Amino acid sequence: ETGVTQTPRHLVMGMTNKKSLKCEQHLGHNAMYWYKQSAKKPLELMFVYSLEERVENNSVPSRFSPECPNSSHLFLHLHTLQPEDSALYLCASSQEPHNQPQHFGDGTRLSIL
Amino acid sequence: EDKVVQSPLSLVVHEGDTVTLNCSYEVTNFRSLLWYKQEKKAPTFLFMLTSSGIEKKSGRLSSILDKKELFSILNITATQTGDSAVYLCAVDSGNNDMRFGAGTRLTVKP
Repeated sequence: ETGVTQTPRHLVMGMTNKKSLKCEQHLGHNAMYWYKQSAKKPLELMFVYSLEERVENNSVPSRFSPECPNSSHLFLHLHTLQPEDSALYLCASSQEPHNQPQHFGDGTRLSIL
Repeated sequence: EDKVVQSPLSLVVHEGDTVTLNCSYEVTNFRSLLWYKQEKKAPTFLFMLTSSGIEKKSGRLSSILDKKELFSILNITATQTGDSAVYLCAVDSGNNDMRFGAGTRLTVKP
């Protein structure tokens, strides 16, 4: 148990579907992150939230839309995804957004048909 | 472009062996370097390094950072089958970016 819970664990969706990934942290952290982990590629940072404010960073296609309603919850809304978006999506949290170890959830395995 | 390179990409050893995993980096604004262990699911934190030459230890694992030569090593002594995992190196490069290497897959055979 890492203190970071992601749901669902697995998700299969068609390219025209709309779905959301959910992440909840029980650690009292102020920063939350979404990562994409594809086969044989390094973990890619997608989004960073600090105190519920989104930080602009790596360019991510607009078909991925994050939402952070409070410091404990983070969502990733998905629509019109492509087959290359199939991957493991990991959520993480840390006390602060820099120079802090991150605690990861177990991820959502996403498959796009 | 910022990059983090880990070597070797994979490694197979026998129980009791000592292994050294390497991580080199090129980033514009170094803040810290972190090591994680990823078994089947969530990466778990091992070490965070910010200063050169100061070894961090946790049981059979240790790590050190060289900010002049831009690399870090992770040592595991007396390896056990439970050490089998992918070991990830990440650099916090400021600009709200955490850059990960591709990982080293370690397999420890009985």
